[in-house]
Amino acid sequence: AQSVTQLGSHVSVSEGALVLLRCNYSSSVPPYLFWYVQYPNQGLQLLLKYTTGATLVKGINGFEAEFKKSETSFHLTKPSAHMSDAAEYFCAVSGPGFQKLVFGTGTRLLVSP
Amino acid sequence: EAQVTQNPRYLITVTGKKLTVTCSQNMNHEYMSWYRQDPGLGLRQIYYSMNVEVTDKGDVPEGYKVSRKEKRNFPLILESPSPNQTSLYFCASSFLPTSGFAYEQYFGPGTRLTVT
Repeated sequence: AQSVTQLGSHVSVSEGALVLLRCNYSSSVPPYLFWYVQYPNQGLQLLLKYTTGATLVKGINGFEAEFKKSETSFHLTKPSAHMSDAAEYFCAVSGPGFQKLVFGTGTRLLVSP
Repeated sequence: EAQVTQNPRYLITVTGKKLTVTCSQNMNHEYMSWYRQDPGLGLRQIYYSMNVEVTDKGDVPEGYKVSRKEKRNFPLILESPSPNQTSLYFCASSFLPTSGFAYEQYFGPGTRLTVT
């Protein structure tokens, strides 16, 4: 079975500050890990994904995440927050050979001027 | 433009009145899935389909039906909606995994359903 835990339902940062959204996973098979972003009244958009290979993954809009197997983590970071980053972020896990995504409960990022 | 479309985007209905939410994709994807999103619970899978005429239950299938008669369409049917099915619904599609590789899922814009 697979599961995802996102620590913090809300994270607040100031514009220009570091963004850190935490994701820990549980998986009995090698995990494939995803971060999706949901802007208000929109669907989910893929930010980045880890399947195999390099553990530091770069995504769109300046976000990146690092897969740490020893810590079962896949935290999302961005060096400098922008007002347009305010959205809800979902971490998700699947596994090799199947498409089912198991989502975390989401973290709402609030960015203040 | 590659996309997943859903209709309607918003729907208010009454308990027991059958409804269908349509989902269509133009990317020739084999895999399609329905999720519901509820506050504090994230997204949970309702049903999925690996190809035409191949469907299976997800984590929360009770009260829902699906069909996959054409590759591009995957409608979600609520035969007798109840208030606990008030939620935000998303359709998603992707290619089937090959050689152990999982493809990105593309999501529709969502359908906000209210059952009174």
